[in-house]
Amino acid sequence: NAGVTQTPKFQVLKTGQSMTLQCAQDMNHEYMSWYRQDPGMGLRLIHYSVGAGITDQGEVPNGYNVSRSTTEDFPLRLLSAAPSQTSVYFCASSYGGRGTEAFFGQGTRLTVV
Amino acid sequence: SQQGEEDPQALSIQEGENATMNCSYKTSINNLQWYRQNSGRGLVHLILIRSNEREKHSGRLRVTLDTSKKSSSLLITASRAADTASYFCATAPQGGSEKLVFGKGTKLTVNP
Repeated sequence: NAGVTQTPKFQVLKTGQSMTLQCAQDMNHEYMSWYRQDPGMGLRLIHYSVGAGITDQGEVPNGYNVSRSTTEDFPLRLLSAAPSQTSVYFCASSYGGRGTEAFFGQGTRLTVV
Repeated sequence: SQQGEEDPQALSIQEGENATMNCSYKTSINNLQWYRQNSGRGLVHLILIRSNEREKHSGRLRVTLDTSKKSSSLLITASRAADTASYFCATAPQGGSEKLVFGKGTKLTVNP
């Protein structure tokens, strides 16, 4: 049972480049989320999904797109990377939404130069 | 905006001592959760306490919730060096949104 898998673990982008951070879970969880973690800021919610085909914005959605075509996958797309998007990104899933335990991936450390 | 705020921001204790971390939040909640994050790793769920509960235990962990004061505390008893990590509270504000809102965390160091 792999849990929540994020790829890649590390990435360096140039300003203006685009990329997709992958997130997959094998627990058949309906709820999935993306957070970014910056020093001194804790975790901030970017986007979340309550099921396939349904997504919504979190606290800091600008510059990011998501889609949820399957229960298992929830990719996060950076459309045009900016240095302000340098951060550690975490994907999480849960079976019952925010009333239940969230399982986190190991994170993707992204640097935009 | 941050819902939960942990206190203290950093805590350093000796092995065997107890560690207490506090979390204050702003709006009414459905539940409050505590997570641990080891350096460079993802978060791991520790315990969930619902708004109608006052205290919960899990092994060496004790969590209390005071909804009148909008605060929670996490107590780790008989700490070990392996407890060194950052600890976060996360709240589920009342309302229709599925958002889980995290605080900024307490960095705990347990010295051998």
